[in-house]
Amino acid sequence: GESVGLHLPTLSVQEGDNSIINCAYSNSASDYFIWYKQESGKGPQFIIDIRSNMDKRQGQRVTVLLNKTVKHLSLQIAATQPGDSAVYFCAENRGYGQNFVFGPGTRLSVLP
Amino acid sequence: KAGVTQTPRYLIKTRGQQVTLSCSPISGHRSVSWYQQTPGQGLQFLFEYFSETQRNKGNFPGRFSGRQFSNSRSEMNVSTLELGDSALYLCASSTIVAGGSYNEQFFGPGTRLTVL
Repeated sequence: GESVGLHLPTLSVQEGDNSIINCAYSNSASDYFIWYKQESGKGPQFIIDIRSNMDKRQGQRVTVLLNKTVKHLSLQIAATQPGDSAVYFCAENRGYGQNFVFGPGTRLSVLP
Repeated sequence: KAGVTQTPRYLIKTRGQQVTLSCSPISGHRSVSWYQQTPGQGLQFLFEYFSETQRNKGNFPGRFSGRQFSNSRSEMNVSTLELGDSALYLCASSTIVAGGSYNEQFFGPGTRLTVL
């Protein structure tokens, strides 16, 4: 069935480097996407969102890129810090209600 | 503004029992969704409530049910618990923007349910 998936299940980066987490989606009708960060023992934390009428959106140290042609979403984290270590999920809304489909998650480990 | 709150945070039940979990959304948020998170299946959508009505439902058996009150607070119930129901149950709230689309879904800390 249709799903949201991730290319890299784990990612290790050096502190201070930039991180890129990727996500593939299969439903071209999806119109809203969110990236979440989840730390151990906590609920997912909203990081940044993007709608399908945009291809880039920037936040504080984070940028989300949306390529609708290849159905690809990425999260870029600048100057990665130890506090960025967590599991990152992309979530896709297929346009009917608050029903988000989540990817399996990527674990980001920041090395000192 | 206070975030999404869920009670209880931890719960231990035995097979066959039932359980009720509670969620208070962010003030002003009228849409509340519930998700189940397990290591094997990841985050899966259970159902969504808006204005006390269930708007969407995921692929879970009828043992999973919910409701929403006039103040937007929501509860979910699981009857006849099974071992496989052990999971982190997450509640999320959101506002509705013009045109009916959704905005910034925020999660609570979750309720960790263990079924023995």
